[in-house]
Amino acid sequence: DAGVIQSPRHEVTEMGQEVTLRCKPISGHNSLFWYRQTMMRGLELLIYFNNNVPIDDSGMPEDRFSAKMPNASFSTLKIQPSEPRDSAVYFCASRSLGYEQYFGPGTRLTVT
Amino acid sequence: QKEVEQNSGPLSVPEGAIASLNCTYSDRGSQSFFWYRQYSGKSPELIMFIYSNGDKEDGRFTAQLNKASQYVSLLIRDSQPSDSATYLCATSNQAGTALIFGKGTTLSVSS
Repeated sequence: DAGVIQSPRHEVTEMGQEVTLRCKPISGHNSLFWYRQTMMRGLELLIYFNNNVPIDDSGMPEDRFSAKMPNASFSTLKIQPSEPRDSAVYFCASRSLGYEQYFGPGTRLTVT
Repeated sequence: QKEVEQNSGPLSVPEGAIASLNCTYSDRGSQSFFWYRQYSGKSPELIMFIYSNGDKEDGRFTAQLNKASQYVSLLIRDSQPSDSATYLCATSNQAGTALIFGKGTTLSVSS
């Protein structure tokens, strides 16, 4: 089975532009997580979906960030407008039962 | 707000030695703990989890949990250069739905 798929793997954009990150979870997994990782703050949970419904978005830093999960096989994380401090690696992870989360390869975002 | 603290390292050990990675947590009510390994430029992968006080062994890895001291550790026996990575300690959030991660400890095993 394919693991969690994320696209793009790298994104370089200018400040003020809209950025959309995409994630396809493992088939059959009903929970999906978006994380952001930086050297300063480590791995932070941004938002958590269960059965396509956002359950906890308390980690979303501000209104510039939004996430959707229109169906069980696709989710997006959008940043509009982007800022240099948004530069980070963004991970998507999915989970079935239990606690083990399977992480995607990540998207390295650079905002100049 | 739950917090998980780790020494960022780097922790350097020679090949064949025991590497000891430590983690403390703030919420005495935390029940479950996880160790993830992250190679440079890669995503985290789960290597062990522990729920009960005491030790849990899996091959060269041993996780230790002391709830009274709010302390979790990971021991790696017979360390190999391939163990060189960042090790992330995590616990579940209050709702039990997601994980809260420490910033990780970087381990370097020299041959």
